Amino acid sequence: EVQLLESGGGLVQPGGSLRLSCAASGFTFSSYAMSWVRQAPGKGLEWVSAISGSGGSTYYADSVKGRFTISRDNSKNTLYLQMNSLRAEDTAVYYCAKASDNGSSFPLDLDYWGQGTLVTVSS
Amino acid sequence: QSALTQPASVSGSPGQSITISCTGTSSDVGGYNYVSWYQQHPGKAPKLMIYEVSNRPSGVPDRFSGSKSGNTASLTISGLQAEDEADYYCSSYTSSSTVVFGGGTKLTVL
Repeated sequence: EVQLLESGGGLVQPGGSLRLSCAASGFTFSSYAMSWVRQAPGKGLEWVSAISGSGGSTYYADSVKGRFTISRDNSKNTLYLQMNSLRAEDTAVYYCAKASDNGSSFPLDLDYWGQGTLVTVSS
Repeated sequence: QSALTQPASVSGSPGQSITISCTGTSSDVGGYNYVSWYQQHPGKAPKLMIYEVSNRPSGVPDRFSGSKSGNTASLTISGLQAEDEADYYCSSYTSSSTVVFGGGTKLTVL
């Protein structure tokens, strides 16, 4: 059974940093591209970042480029999102999600999602 | 990258059919057959319902179908059921190697 478990969320001051983790199980982690998607309270989904299965290719939304870094440790079956220079508008539930197809370096569609971790940026 | 345009809400009675539209540009919806649809119930994670415009993942009822014409994709739900009441989001791959989501549509089953 595929499982994705996010952790690392919490309350952080504007300008601060946080690292999110997503522990994966139930599939060959290194074979699948992964994504982070966020959802501000009461708002819609926003794609944040993606990474290829090998970790060699990374992709970012303009809203986080230069501030967030996606990475993965395939030996630990874990996906990460390092978030720096956090702003109030980064407040959201952050989901990690798995690509449905292991044949693409970019996760074009996401067939399994974690339950999310809440990040709150506030003074 | 601007969000794809979806109606804020749609409604229908049990047994009826509804269609949710998702309008983008030639740089996203119109340029690629990589449109997906997600269902999200309150407090839950999104669930993939349609991928690559019209394909259903295993386990998704065939009451759900997808299509695309030009820069607009559509999700049709036939034979509406109470459990279909949820928020629905479209998404598309873009020419910038990113993904853009729609603003979401709240489906109410009357």
